[in-house]
Amino acid sequence: DVVLTQTPSILSATIGQSVSISCRSSQSLLDSDGNTYLYWFLQRPGQSPQRLIYLVSNLGSGVPNRFSGSGSGTDFTLKISGVEAEDLGVYYCMQATHAPFTFGSGTKLEIK
Amino acid sequence: QVQLKETGPGLVQPTQTLSITCTVSGFSLTSYYMQWVRQTPGKGLEWMGFIRSGGSTEYNSEFKSRLSISRDTSKNQVFLKMNSLKTEDTGVYYCARMYHFDYWGQGVMVTVSS
Repeated sequence: DVVLTQTPSILSATIGQSVSISCRSSQSLLDSDGNTYLYWFLQRPGQSPQRLIYLVSNLGSGVPNRFSGSGSGTDFTLKISGVEAEDLGVYYCMQATHAPFTFGSGTKLEIK
Repeated sequence: QVQLKETGPGLVQPTQTLSITCTVSGFSLTSYYMQWVRQTPGKGLEWMGFIRSGGSTEYNSEFKSRLSISRDTSKNQVFLKMNSLKTEDTGVYYCARMYHFDYWGQGVMVTVSS
C-alpha cells in the first residue's frame, strides 16, 4: 500500500501567519491517465472531513483562496496564506491513484 | 443541495454484523460513485471501498473478506455491511461521494463491545 507521510504532525500558528504542510508518498502518484489523484482535507473538531484541494492544486468549491496546493510525483504541499481562526483542525492528504486509497496520518493546526 | 446522512446501530457486539445506511439527496446514485471511509482510534482514516455508478464494487483487501457494499437507487441509499466485527472496528463510519471526494456525510459512531 502507498504510505503518505505528513509533516509536521502538529503546527502552531498565529492569526495571519502563513504555514505549509508536507505530504510525501512512498510511490509516485502520477496515474497512467495523466492525473495525479492527491487530495487535501480539513477535519474540524467534531466534524467530518471537508475537501479543500483536489488533483494536487485545484481549489474545492467554496474553499477560501488562502488555501493552495502544489507538488508532483511524490512530494506535495498544502499552504495556508494567512491563517484564520476557523482553520484550526486536522489536515489530511489522501491519494486515490493506487488502490487501496490511503490517507496521511494528519497534521493538527493549533492557533496560538 | 447535496446531502448525505449515515444511520446505524451505534452499538454492535463482537462477532456480529454491522449494517449502515447512507441516504443521499440532491444527486443520483446512477451518476456518481460512492465510497465508505472509517476513522478508528487505532488506524485513523481508512478507505474501505466503493460502489460505482453502474453498481459494481471495489474493496480494500483489508476488509474484502467481510465487507459488502450495495445500494438501492430507488431509495437513494447506499449500504455497508461488515461481518465478524471486532473491538478494533470501533470508530466513525462515513459515506462520501467520489466525485473527487467532494461531499461527505456527518458520520455514524459505531462501538463494538459486549
